[in-house]
Amino acid sequence: QKEVEQNSGPLSVPEGAIASLNCTYSDRGSQSFFWYRQYSGKSPELIMFIYSNGDKEDGRFTAQLNKASQYVSLLIRDSQPSDSATYLCAVIPFSGGYNKLIFGAGTRLAVHP
Amino acid sequence: DVKVTQSSRYLVKRTGEKVFLECVQDMDHENMFWYRQDPGLGLRLIYFSYDVKMKEKGDIPEGYSVSREKKERFSLILESASTNQTSMYLCASSLGQGSTYNEQFFGPGTRLTVL
Repeated sequence: QKEVEQNSGPLSVPEGAIASLNCTYSDRGSQSFFWYRQYSGKSPELIMFIYSNGDKEDGRFTAQLNKASQYVSLLIRDSQPSDSATYLCAVIPFSGGYNKLIFGAGTRLAVHP
Repeated sequence: DVKVTQSSRYLVKRTGEKVFLECVQDMDHENMFWYRQDPGLGLRLIYFSYDVKMKEKGDIPEGYSVSREKKERFSLILESASTNQTSMYLCASSLGQGSTYNEQFFGPGTRLTVL
């Protein structure tokens, strides 16, 4: 079982819709969770982080964390074509001394006009 | 803002050459990382360093070495470049030991082609 799993996509949504990106992780002791956005040919850019169960909102983005289910998600409201990118979920596992991030393979999001 | 810079955006080398990729961060971070990213394989950790002169192997260290002589600089060395090392190389840094909020900040990447 991979440590961090994401559906590779592509996830195709119409402009203005809500995009829902999901991620599961295997290390139950994981403490910190991150969402990165990566445009084609560019490096990953941090867009959200969440440490506590529940929801965290930042503009059009909402991160949701459920530690009991080992599940973290990212919602993008009012999706725009400029949101089209690959979204990487990353987790700091309990093992590794809180130094390393474990990345999922990413979900490709395509927002069409 | 954290700034992570890499010495080259694009690099073309020949098989057998020794290749140096340099990374510099300006936020006094303890941790620095080298990844490679290939289509369908995601981000794979090559090496990381948690302090000056300290290093730890990642998932795919074979064919690579690293050097960290100063806190702000982390170098990746391909001792004898091979065509299967053609890839996007990404450097990242994070705050360090004792922090659970160790989000990583990435440099712009170096696209290396080995002919």
